[in-house]
Amino acid sequence: AQSVTQLGSHVSVSEGALVLLRCNYSSSVPPYLFWYVQYPNQGLQLLLKYTTGATLVKGINGFEAEFKKSETSFHLTKPSAHMSDAAEYFCAVRPNSGGYQKVTFGTGTKLQVIP
Amino acid sequence: DTAVSQTPKYLVTQMGNDKSIKCEQNLGHDTMYWYKQDSKKFLKIMFSYNNKELIINETVPNRFSPKSPDKAHLNLHINSLELGDSAVYFCASSQGGSSSYEQYFGPGTRLTVT
Repeated sequence: AQSVTQLGSHVSVSEGALVLLRCNYSSSVPPYLFWYVQYPNQGLQLLLKYTTGATLVKGINGFEAEFKKSETSFHLTKPSAHMSDAAEYFCAVRPNSGGYQKVTFGTGTKLQVIP
Repeated sequence: DTAVSQTPKYLVTQMGNDKSIKCEQNLGHDTMYWYKQDSKKFLKIMFSYNNKELIINETVPNRFSPKSPDKAHLNLHINSLELGDSAVYFCASSQGGSSSYEQYFGPGTRLTVT
């Protein structure tokens, strides 16, 4: 069975500082990995995803994530935080096989950006 | 222009009532989902339909009944509402046969049971 763990339910950074949101997964084989962002009172929006190929994945709004198989991690980073980045971030995993598979979401990390 | 839409956006009702939430997607996707997000933001899948066929049915009370009249619509009917049903319900869609598997979410329906 797959699972995903997000370390830190709340992360605070200063505007302009590095953003690092942690995600570790548990799966018998490397899964497909996703980061979603949820702004207040809105639905989730895909930031980036890893399926195959290059392990460093770039997404929207300057975010990127690196798939590290040896560490079973898929941490999300952004070099310089902006006030508009304040939101809830969800890491998600899906088995890397065909058919209709369930996506499992992490418990979320709320990012606060301090001016 | 809205890719995944839900109605209503807010729903306030009393215990014991029956209510429905509707979802429509115009992305041409073949798979649709219902998720429940609780007050701690935990997101849990409830149901998934592919081309009108139920493919994922998590442990959800029988009071919840999804219906998919066509692959662009997925509705959720809830009978005998309870306080614990208060949550935000999200509809989502994806293209099941693609390699991306990303999901597109609606804006959510905030259900409050009093």
